[in-house]
Amino acid sequence: AQSVTQLGSHVSVSEGALVLLRCNYSSSVPPYLFWYVQYPNQGLQLLLKYTSAATLVKGINGFEAEFKKSETSFHLTKPSAHMSDAAEYFCAVSTMNTGFQKLVFGTGTRLLVSP
Amino acid sequence: DSGVTQTPKHLITATGQRVTLRCSPRSGDLSVYWYQQSLDQGLQFLIQYYNGEERAKGNILERFSAQQFPDLHSELNLSSLELGDSALYFCASSKRQDLNTEAFFGQGTRLTVV
Repeated sequence: AQSVTQLGSHVSVSEGALVLLRCNYSSSVPPYLFWYVQYPNQGLQLLLKYTSAATLVKGINGFEAEFKKSETSFHLTKPSAHMSDAAEYFCAVSTMNTGFQKLVFGTGTRLLVSP
Repeated sequence: DSGVTQTPKHLITATGQRVTLRCSPRSGDLSVYWYQQSLDQGLQFLIQYYNGEERAKGNILERFSAQQFPDLHSELNLSSLELGDSALYFCASSKRQDLNTEAFFGQGTRLTVV
């Protein structure tokens, strides 16, 4: 079964610092991977997705993620954190279940940004 | 705005009661998914409907049921509610069933069972 693991339930950075949120996947087939963000009291919003077209994927709000097959990773980065980036971030893998697609989410990483 | 509408936004009810959560998917989306988000369990997939038919089941309790109507809106019914059912319930929708299909999420219904 396909799954994702997010290391670190909380990550704290200072404003302007590099953001690195880790996601490792487990899949017997080439995976389709997603990062979603959840702001307080909001639903999930798609940040970016990897669909094998390019290993470096650029998303919204300055985030990007790099697919590394050798490391089974899809870490999310942003060069310079902004206060508005404080949110919970979820990595997800797309999987087929009885012939229909669904997303399997990681446990999430809460990003805290301090001034 | 994702285009997915969930009502109500908040719901407070007593143990043993039954509630219905409603979801209107984005225009043109045939798939509707229900997820439960709680502090201890994280985001759990409950059930999926596609064009009116149940297609996939996840960690959904027998006390819970769902349906998708001809106009494609969906309802999640929770009965014999317990304190542990308190959670945020999300609905998501998607147009296709390809592996690279992203889902669009509503803002959720926060259910509090007292």
